[in-house]
Amino acid sequence: DQQVKQNSPSLSVQEGRISILNCDYTNSMFDYFLWYKKYPAEGPTFLISISSIKDKNEDGRFTVFLNKSAKHLSLHIVPSQPGDSAVYFCAASGNTDKLIFGTGTRLQVFP
Amino acid sequence: GAVVSQHPSRVICKSGTSVKIECRSLDFQATTMFWYRQFPKQSLMLMATSNEGSKATYEQGVEKDKFLINHASLTLSTLTVTSAHPEDSSFYICSARGDPLGEQYFGPGTRLTVT
Repeated sequence: DQQVKQNSPSLSVQEGRISILNCDYTNSMFDYFLWYKKYPAEGPTFLISISSIKDKNEDGRFTVFLNKSAKHLSLHIVPSQPGDSAVYFCAASGNTDKLIFGTGTRLQVFP
Repeated sequence: GAVVSQHPSRVICKSGTSVKIECRSLDFQATTMFWYRQFPKQSLMLMATSNEGSKATYEQGVEKDKFLINHASLTLSTLTVTSAHPEDSSFYICSARGDPLGEQYFGPGTRLTVT
């Protein structure tokens, strides 16, 4: 049972444009959400997070939006840069320590 | 700050042998460490959670006798894959957390190939 889903396995965006990565979850007990970036053969690195008491969190070029009623969150990267090319995982946690990860979306930013 | 290392980065072993993977927090004390496994094109799956000085808590479906976890100090946790089989071939990633309310910091991962 995949509690966190990223339905787009890949996304291709032109440099300078906006990248929008989506994530859906099923467990209404999740109250903290995170986005990680991962390069091949490396561990994930934390990008940005959002608590369920907020609907938006912004950090530089990265903005995460949370729609609790739809159980949906998205990561916006603007402007996209070639160095943003990586696999992006969303993750969620509830009242336990556990992080539940989505399956990832491979973002490719081309010139 | 908040650097987590893993050793080795890559290991190839024969079926039936055991392999130990180390996870170290280099610049902070990790009260909790997590071990994940990632199969190709799949999500990171939590295997177990370990707190320093106590037994690890394993996720459902993870064999505790096969995946031995030791968290003997605040900067080191080890995962030993015992009697490894080809289906254990995977990317193993640890993460560490110092503050109970803080973020998890991930290691670079270990690619295990069992032949």
